[in-house]
Amino acid sequence: AQSVAQPEDQVNVAEGNPLTVKCTYSVSGNPYLFWYVQYPNRGLQFLLKYITGDNLVKGSYGFEAEFNKSQTSFHLKKPSALVSDSALYFCAVREGDDKIIFGKGTRLHILP
Amino acid sequence: NAGVTQTPKFQVLKTGQSMTLQCAQDMNHNSMYWYRQDPGMGLRLIYYSASEGTTDKGEVPNGYNVSRLNKREFSLRLESAAPSQTSVYFCASSAHGDSNQPQHFGDGTRLSIL
Repeated sequence: AQSVAQPEDQVNVAEGNPLTVKCTYSVSGNPYLFWYVQYPNRGLQFLLKYITGDNLVKGSYGFEAEFNKSQTSFHLKKPSALVSDSALYFCAVREGDDKIIFGKGTRLHILP
Repeated sequence: NAGVTQTPKFQVLKTGQSMTLQCAQDMNHNSMYWYRQDPGMGLRLIYYSASEGTTDKGEVPNGYNVSRLNKREFSLRLESAAPSQTSVYFCASSAHGDSNQPQHFGDGTRLSIL
């Protein structure tokens, strides 16, 4: 069965520094991978996805993610963090059928 | 351009009361989903509907029922609310048959069961 893990409950980064939010996955076939962001009192918003092709995927708000098949990872990155990036981030994996499995989420704090 | 609309936004119930959470989408999506979000648990799928007229259980269906009223609307019913069902409930939709499409979420219903 497919699964996804976000090993860090919280990540703290100083404003202007690069940020990484980690995600690893387990699927039996080719994965469809997603990152979502959730701001307070809002639903999840789609950031980016990996389906096939280039291992570096670019998404909304300057975020990107690197797909690494050998390490089964799909880490979210941004070169220079903003205070407004503070939010809850979810990694998700989809394999073939119509359901997506979400990780437990990582809370990102950007310190001014 | 509403996307996914959930009503109500907040609700407080007493144990044993019943309630229906409403969800509607205007993106002509075939698939719709109900999740609950609890601290430290991420999102857990309650029920989903791959297309109009079909529904399937997710990870945590006990205590809930759903109705796919038409292509736009997918409701979640609590027949006899329990304190363990205190949570934030999210409805989502996506284009069916194309697994690389993301889900679109409503802003949630915050439900407290006393």
